Amino acid sequence: NAGVTQTPKFRILKIGQSMTLQCTQDMNHNYMYWYRQDPGMGLKLIYYSVGAGITDKGEVPNGYNVSRSTTEDFPLRLELAAPSQTSVYFCASSYDPWKSTDTQYFGPGTRLTVL
Amino acid sequence: GENVEQHPSTLSVQEGDSAVIKCTYSDSASNYFPWYKQELGKGPQLIIDIRSNVGEKKDQRIAVTLNKTAKHFSLHITETQPEDSAVYFCAASIRLAGGSNYKLTFGKGTLLTVNP
Repeated sequence: NAGVTQTPKFRILKIGQSMTLQCTQDMNHNYMYWYRQDPGMGLKLIYYSVGAGITDKGEVPNGYNVSRSTTEDFPLRLELAAPSQTSVYFCASSYDPWKSTDTQYFGPGTRLTVL
Repeated sequence: GENVEQHPSTLSVQEGDSAVIKCTYSDSASNYFPWYKQELGKGPQLIIDIRSNVGEKKDQRIAVTLNKTAKHFSLHITETQPEDSAVYFCAASIRLAGGSNYKLTFGKGTLLTVNP
C-alpha cells in the first residue's frame, strides 16, 4: 500500500489565485482529514470527512472547501489565496473514527506559499 | 473544547542520554493519547499510543506514561540516537460534541535534537 499520498509537494501562488490540493489513500479508510501546520503552532484541523459524500468543518475552515466523491480521494480547494494561507498542509486518514482509539495516518504534506 | 499543552518546545540532548516530553490535556473525557514523530520534510508518523485504562506502555527505547488524575502524559526516549532528532507531537482523542465520532487535538510539538 502507498498509504496517503498528496500532490503537489510544493506550490507558490499569487494572492487571489485558486488551486486544489490532492489527497488519495489506498487503505479503504472511511475517515479523512485536512490539517494545516504553521511554525510552532502544531496541527490545526481544517475539514474532515466521515465517508463519501459527507464533509464537515474543523477548527479553521474559512477560505477552504472540500469534497468527497469517493472513499479514496479528498481534495482541498483554495478559491482566493491569501498570504495567511501560507502553510504546510497535511492530509490524513483513519479507519474507524467511531472508536476512541482510532489511529490517523498522514501524507507527506504540501508546502504552499502565497505571495 | 479540548486543549493540549506540550513542553518543552525544544529539547537538546547528548547521544545516549534520555529525553522526556510532557503533555497535559484539559478534558477528562479524553481516553486515547497517541504520539507522532515528524522528520524534516515528512508527515507525522505514529510511534506509540496509550489508552486511558493503561498507565504505561513500552516499545523498545520509547515509553509513554499516563496520569489520568493529573491529566498529563509523557513520552520517554532512552539511549537517544541522532536519528531520533525530529519534531514530536502529542495528541488527545475526544468525542466530537453531539456526535459519535472522535477527533484528535494536537500539542504544538517539541523539536528534539540529539547531538552526536
